[in-house]
Amino acid sequence: EVQLVESGGGLVQPGGSLRLSCAASGFTFSSYAMSWVRQAPGKGLEYVSTLSTNGGTTYYANSVKGRFTISRDTSTNTLFLQMGSLRADDMAVYYCARGDTTIVPKGVALDYWGQGTLVTVSS
Amino acid sequence: DIQMTQSPSTLSASVGDRVIITCRASQSISRWLAWYQQKPGKAPKLLVYKASNLESGVPSRFSGSGSGTEFTLTISSLQPDDFATYYCQQYNSYPWTFGQGTKVEVK
Repeated sequence: EVQLVESGGGLVQPGGSLRLSCAASGFTFSSYAMSWVRQAPGKGLEYVSTLSTNGGTTYYANSVKGRFTISRDTSTNTLFLQMGSLRADDMAVYYCARGDTTIVPKGVALDYWGQGTLVTVSS
Repeated sequence: DIQMTQSPSTLSASVGDRVIITCRASQSISRWLAWYQQKPGKAPKLLVYKASNLESGVPSRFSGSGSGTEFTLTISSLQPDDFATYYCQQYNSYPWTFGQGTKVEVK
């Protein structure tokens, strides 16, 4: 069974930093693209970042480029999102989600999602 | 960035109704479009990918169609479990973008 469990959210002051983690299980983590998507309170879904299947290419929303860094550790099957220079408009539930694979490409963007972790930016 | 526009933003319907949600892209995205369902306090759930492919386990009353810039999600006979918010998402090019959502509520 595919499972994605986010952690690391919490309260941070404006300008501060936070690192989110997403523990993956139930699939061959190193063969899948992985992404982060966020949702501000009462708002819609917003794309944040993607790490390619081989871990060598990253993509970011314009709103986080230069402030956030996506990475992974295939030895622990964990996806990370390092967030810096946090602003009030970064406050949201952050979801990690599984993307497509090189094993048997399906043509999906995001097929499994974690339950999310809440990031609150406030002084 | 590619803009995704859903209509309507809110839809009032009854059990058994046929429901159609539209998603328009600001430029052609071929068939690289997904639909998600989200219920309050829960993570989104993939319903349809590549415009018309039903994700495994999703009831057949859901269907997707379209290509280029115009797409639709159809629920053939609305069930009580279908009252939720629906989002389209393009993954033709980065940065990926979502529509603003369509809330399907009880009429």
